[in-house]
Amino acid sequence: DAKTTQPPSMDCAEGRAANLPCNHSTISGNEYVYWYRQIHSQGPQYIIHGLKNNETNEMASLIITEDRKSSTLILPHATLRDTAVYYCIASLRGYSTLTFGKGTMLLVSP
Amino acid sequence: EAGVVQSPRYKIIEKKQPVAFWCNPISGHNTLYWYLQNLGQGPELLIRYENEEAVDDSQLPKDRFSAERLKGVDSTLKIQPAELGDSAVYLCASSLGGAKETQYFGPGTRLLVL
Repeated sequence: DAKTTQPPSMDCAEGRAANLPCNHSTISGNEYVYWYRQIHSQGPQYIIHGLKNNETNEMASLIITEDRKSSTLILPHATLRDTAVYYCIASLRGYSTLTFGKGTMLLVSP
Repeated sequence: EAGVVQSPRYKIIEKKQPVAFWCNPISGHNTLYWYLQNLGQGPELLIRYENEEAVDDSQLPKDRFSAERLKGVDSTLKIQPAELGDSAVYLCASSLGGAKETQYFGPGTRLLVL
């Protein structure tokens, strides 16, 4: 899996958009970008993944740069329940395992 | 739909004692994972099963750790004997396998070795 780099922590005001960056400059052409999050005392939870195109689901949007060297996870209207550690992972699809880094601790405040 | 079930949620033992963790994956999920998570770190894979076969156990410390997945459903992870450094959260996850590889995690078992 390609190495990913994320800021250790970020703050966001409740109701505002949270934009979490991830750098994956050595990503290979067939590696996907996955995002998971882990709320305190829970197991990680899948959010979204993508290869080249931007993706959106009910939880978040994923914006991948054209050169695929970085991406941004967007939570459009952050709530207090979005406070969690967010992991960005670059991995092959299919039977590959996920290599988690330390992630970004997002704190959403009132 | 029930999620991944793990038990116990918490376990405190003295060093050199054995301990076992149990995981029941989501029904129909062929792939099962055990992860170790130290404080302040992301989860690290210990072992991955495809049905009852362990297909990736390269990170499992085989001198003291063992795992089994009889009948390709439930799984047990064992440590014998436990050491102080084994204090961590042990996470189980499952996925359908193949292209549907989204992993669903259980709540984990928090182990404290005294």
